[in-house]
Amino acid sequence: KNEVEQSPQNLTAQEGEFITINCSYSVGISALHWLQQHPGGGIVSLFMLSSGKKKHGRLIATINIQEKHSSLHITASHPRDSAVYICAGGGSQGNLIFGKGTKLSVKP
Amino acid sequence: ETGVTQSPTHLIKTRGQQVTLRCSSQSGHNTVSWYQQALGQGPQFIFQYYREEENGRGNFPPRFSGLQFPNYSSELNVNALELDDSALYLCASTWDRDTEAFFGQGTRLTVV
Repeated sequence: KNEVEQSPQNLTAQEGEFITINCSYSVGISALHWLQQHPGGGIVSLFMLSSGKKKHGRLIATINIQEKHSSLHITASHPRDSAVYICAGGGSQGNLIFGKGTKLSVKP
Repeated sequence: ETGVTQSPTHLIKTRGQQVTLRCSSQSGHNTVSWYQQALGQGPQFIFQYYREEENGRGNFPPRFSGLQFPNYSSELNVNALELDDSALYLCASTWDRDTEAFFGQGTRLTVV
């Protein structure tokens, strides 16, 4: 069964802190997506990974294929980073299998 | 701005009614997937269309059906609405499998 588990469920940080969100996935997941969802519902794709590491601004995503684990890091966090961060695996039907999300709140 | 638009943004329907939700994908994106997101949960896969054919389906009953059109737009139809159908419905378009997904803003459906 394809599954995606992420942790923590909730995360509160002070502005400027380094943040890590973790994601584990099961066999059968082909590519790993990191997504951001703001209140109101819209989802934005941050990264899609099948190996290695990607960086965009203050966001870094890594994936370890052997361990079936991925991490999303946010450096120098800011209140505008507050959102729900979701990892999702590319399933066998071409769909995305979503984790339950990590609700991040960055306090000024 | 993802280039994917959904309409309407909000909708209230009565139990037993039928509803049609619409999604306009990015030009050139052959694949569109629909997801249901209940409050506080992650999105759940409803079905996917590729070049106007259903290409995969999640654990949803037949009263959830869809269409994809040649102009990269698609529809999600739900018949015989139930209270538990109240959720945010998201569409996501991709150029191909395992490529970056572009999401619409979602349609929030409330069934009363």
